[in-house]
Amino acid sequence: GQQLNQSPQSMFIQEGEDVSMNCTSSSIFNTWLWYKQDPGEGPVLLIALYKAGELTSNGRLTAQFGITRKDSFLNISASIPSDVGIYFCAGQNGNQFYFGTGTSLTVIP
Amino acid sequence: GAVVSQHPSWVICKSGTSVKIECRSLDFQATTMFWYRQFPKQSLMLMATSNEGSKATYEQGVEKDKFLINHASLTLSTLTVTSAHPEDSSFYICSAKGIYYGYTFGSGTRLTVV
Repeated sequence: GQQLNQSPQSMFIQEGEDVSMNCTSSSIFNTWLWYKQDPGEGPVLLIALYKAGELTSNGRLTAQFGITRKDSFLNISASIPSDVGIYFCAGQNGNQFYFGTGTSLTVIP
Repeated sequence: GAVVSQHPSWVICKSGTSVKIECRSLDFQATTMFWYRQFPKQSLMLMATSNEGSKATYEQGVEKDKFLINHASLTLSTLTVTSAHPEDSSFYICSAKGIYYGYTFGSGTRLTVV
């Protein structure tokens, strides 16, 4: 199946720093979503974006739906240790749903 | 909110045996359920999509005779790994989508074939 390219692949940051990651696709998606996965668990939805150009926040998280509909960005401000995990983007068109390659985030206290 | 329960959370089986994994939508009717496989440090790869009462649609490269999917009701889908081998060891995750709910993921099943 199709896979979206996510970067960076991994990040090691100091607690309190801001984080940015992005996701790109060769295809257009109508919906972009961002998930966080903790070890041994399923992904948990963080933010869903439904319109090109949309900017949506959830606490310290902010995500944007790219104008071209082929990309999306996630920012985490003032990182804390519990932000550690793997972040996945996902693009959706109806029942077609594809994950990004993931960004592993490590926060150093 | 929507909850998807996946069972078991982990299983160890002998090579050559079959294993069944259940995925239940607890508080909504799932018109479509999805099964993913995830290897360590990798993303989730879609294996198949199933609609209640019809045959599952498998992604390219996924053996339908090895990974049997049944979606007999609007709240239950099962994935049976038949004649499991060590290379089938992986983390299997289901997700369910309802009319009023987006994609909700189960907590995953860690399968180890020895």
